[in-house]
Amino acid sequence: AQSVSQHNHHVILSEAASLELGCNYSYGGTVNLFWYVQYPGQHLQLLLKYFSGDPLVKGIKGFEAEFIKSKFSFNLRKPSVQWSDTAEYFCAVYYGGATNKLIFGTGTLLAVQP
Amino acid sequence: EAGVTQFPSHSVIEKGQTVTLRCDPISGHDNLYWYRRVMGKEIKFLLHFVKESKQDESGMPNNRFLAERTGGTYSTLKVQPAELEDSGVYFCASSLVQSRRTSPNNEQFFGPGTRLTVL
Repeated sequence: AQSVSQHNHHVILSEAASLELGCNYSYGGTVNLFWYVQYPGQHLQLLLKYFSGDPLVKGIKGFEAEFIKSKFSFNLRKPSVQWSDTAEYFCAVYYGGATNKLIFGTGTLLAVQP
Repeated sequence: EAGVTQFPSHSVIEKGQTVTLRCDPISGHDNLYWYRRVMGKEIKFLLHFVKESKQDESGMPNNRFLAERTGGTYSTLKVQPAELEDSGVYFCASSLVQSRRTSPNNEQFFGPGTRLTVL
């Protein structure tokens, strides 16, 4: 079955710490990979996406993610977090085929302490 | 450009009542999706419209849920009668392109969600 796993449900960091959020997906051939973020009281918005090419993807606000095909992983990273990065982060996968739906992970709540 | 909008933002109803949620996609987006997040769990797909046609409704939980998109513009999702387990956040999303292959243009833009509480 198509599934996405996010290993960290709650993460608490101090400002300037480095961040890495894990995301693994079940095998499904060619996939599109996404990280969405939901800041408190706001919409889900796209942080970055991978379709093809360079497996290291740069997103907004200094975030990046690396697609490792052999590990079915798409981990999100940021070298130095800020208080404003406090949000919930969702990994999502588009498996293609006959459907256009996204499969989401359970989300990771990140709290950055000033 | 206006984003995806949803109404209401919150709804509190009693078990057995009916609720209708509305989604207005980004203008020009033929593809409209409904998702739901039950507390503590993942965001789950409910269904996908292409214009006014249901392309995929494999995620609809049961026949108490009815989605429509008359005229291919806004969509409604009606829950009748509501049960306690229907509580959650209902998200709507829209996209410009429907693709069965990888495409950089199939990004889905999400609305703010409707928080439904069934008492």
